[in-house]
Amino acid sequence: KAGVTQTPRYLIKTRGQQVTLSCSPISGHRSVSWYQQTPGQGLQFLFEYFSETQRNKGNFPGRFSGRQFSNSRSEMNVSTLELGDSALYLCASSGQGGMNTEAFFGQGTRLTVV
Amino acid sequence: KNEVEQSPQNLTAQEGEFITINCSYSVGISALHWLQQHPGGGIVSLFMLSSGKKKHGRLIATINIQEKHSSLHITASHPRDSAVYICAVHDNNDMRFGAGTRLTVKP
Repeated sequence: KAGVTQTPRYLIKTRGQQVTLSCSPISGHRSVSWYQQTPGQGLQFLFEYFSETQRNKGNFPGRFSGRQFSNSRSEMNVSTLELGDSALYLCASSGQGGMNTEAFFGQGTRLTVV
Repeated sequence: KNEVEQSPQNLTAQEGEFITINCSYSVGISALHWLQQHPGGGIVSLFMLSSGKKKHGRLIATINIQEKHSSLHITASHPRDSAVYICAVHDNNDMRFGAGTRLTVKP
């Protein structure tokens, strides 16, 4: 069974640009959650999608958005990038129970904003 | 005060030692996760708990819902257990994380 795949693995963007990250969950999983990890703030929850609907949302500005497609693949978009958005972005997929069940993490996308 | 507190922040042990990492939280939760993160960033979910105790190999996780406390134990520790261990709690709408415990097991 293939694991969770995140693309790209590394990304360098300029301040003010926008970026889209992709996450393909484990086959059959309908819940995809996104997280940001920085040295200063640690891991923080961005949002969770389940069956193409945003089910839970963390405390991030509206520049951070996401969506989920009918095949459960999810994308995360950050607009008007700031230097502080430099982070490791992780996604995790889960089964029917969403974040109340075991989560399987991707390797992450390391975003650097210059 | 962080809603999820882990202790200790750093832990160095000799191979074979019994290790305990603690997690206390202040919010009502529906589930608690223990995660392992190796250098390079990859995260592995070790346990998901909503009550009681779970065991997987040399790892044991317990949770006391009344006391809002969970522990992760590693028996017969090994250098390959060296990693950051993170406690995360799900409170129905949000997921909150501890700062992590950096474990180093020396041969």
